[in-house]
Amino acid sequence: EVQLVESGGGLVQPGRSLRLSCAASGFTFENYAMHWVRQAPGKGLEWVSSINYNSGRTNYADSVKGRFTISRDNAKNSLYLQMNSLRAEDTALYYCTKADSSGYLSYFDYWGQGTLVTVSS
Amino acid sequence: QSVLAQPPSPSGTPGQRVTISCSGSSSNIGSNTVNWYQQLPGTAPKLLIYNNDQRPSGVPDRFSGSKSGTSASLAISGLQSEDEADYYCATWDDRLNGWVFGGGTKLTVL
Repeated sequence: EVQLVESGGGLVQPGRSLRLSCAASGFTFENYAMHWVRQAPGKGLEWVSSINYNSGRTNYADSVKGRFTISRDNAKNSLYLQMNSLRAEDTALYYCTKADSSGYLSYFDYWGQGTLVTVSS
Repeated sequence: QSVLAQPPSPSGTPGQRVTISCSGSSSNIGSNTVNWYQQLPGTAPKLLIYNNDQRPSGVPDRFSGSKSGTSASLAISGLQSEDEADYYCATWDDRLNGWVFGGGTKLTVL
């Protein structure tokens, strides 16, 4: 059974940093691209970032480009999102999602339960 | 303002058939496949339809998807109370070089 468990969320002041983690199990992690998707309170879904299976390609939404960095450790079956220069508008539930194939142009087929990031002074 | 346009809040009665539309452009729906996600209240989204019209295992055949030109649709037949949820369409956008979602459609079962 595919399981994605996010962690690392919390309350952080504007301008500070936070690192999210996603522990994956139930599938061969190194064979699949991964994505981060977020959902602001009471709002819709917003794609944040993607990484292909071997970290050779990454992609970011314009809203986070230059501030967020996606990475993965295939040896640890883990996905990460380093978030710097956080803003109030980054407040959201952040979901780790698995892609259907190795490239990040493949859809999100499994989702974690999310970790909440609140940016406030 | 979402790149993909979805109707806000349709409703239906049990047993009815409802359709949720998703309108885009040539750079997204017009050139890429569409996926649909169901988000039940208080839960994470779940893949409902992929590659325009394919159902993952476990998804009832009451749910069906289609695409034509720059629009896509999700149809739910034999509506049930447990179908009350938010539904999102999603696809890749070649111009934006990223994934885009519709704004979401909150389906109410009366």
